[in-house]
Amino acid sequence: QITLKESGPTQVKPTQTLTLTCSFSGFSLSTSGVGVGWIRQPPGKALEWLAVIYWHDDKRYRPSLKSRLTITKDTSKNQVVLTMTNMDPVDTATYYCAHMILTGYCFDYWGQGTLVTVSS
Amino acid sequence: QSALTQPASVSGSPGQSITISCTGTNSDVGGYNYVSWYQHHPGKAPKLMIYEVTNRPSGVSNRFSGSKSGNTASLTISGLQAEDEADYYCSSYTSSPIGVFGGGTKLTVL
Repeated sequence: QITLKESGPTQVKPTQTLTLTCSFSGFSLSTSGVGVGWIRQPPGKALEWLAVIYWHDDKRYRPSLKSRLTITKDTSKNQVVLTMTNMDPVDTATYYCAHMILTGYCFDYWGQGTLVTVSS
Repeated sequence: QSALTQPASVSGSPGQSITISCTGTNSDVGGYNYVSWYQHHPGKAPKLMIYEVTNRPSGVSNRFSGSKSGNTASLTISGLQAEDEADYYCSSYTSSPIGVFGGGTKLTVL
């Protein structure tokens, strides 16, 4: 059974760096064809792809946020970490991590999400 | 990277069928057969309903079906039920580094 859970601060101040951790079980991020992605949803708005990391350590980022995002994996800990620098109130959102299958290019298992508020 | 275009809302009565469209370009929806659909009940984790345009994951009701024509993909829900009321998002592989979601459609079951 695949499960994912996001953890991190619920609130950050403008200009600070956000660090979110996705802890997962039921799969290995060293398995070919597997990835973990980060998706966010600002309040009342649509889902947005942020970043994906694949089993072979290939990393892809949302072009408009590429300079601010870093995604890394720790296969031994079954964790994926997303950092986002220079946070702004517009980055207030629920952040989800999800298991991705490259062959279908879709997210088949999602975490429950964590709401991050950016406010001074 | 622009979001795919979905209607903001659709509605239907129990037992009826509805279709949600998802329009992109030949750099995303029209260029690849990697369109997926997600059901999202607010406060819960999104759920994969359709992948690779037409495929249903195990456990998803066969009342949900997907199709594509040109740059537009569609999700059809037949035999509407109250529990289908949710937000629905399409997503597609793109020629840019990462995928793209649609703007979301709120389904109301009357």
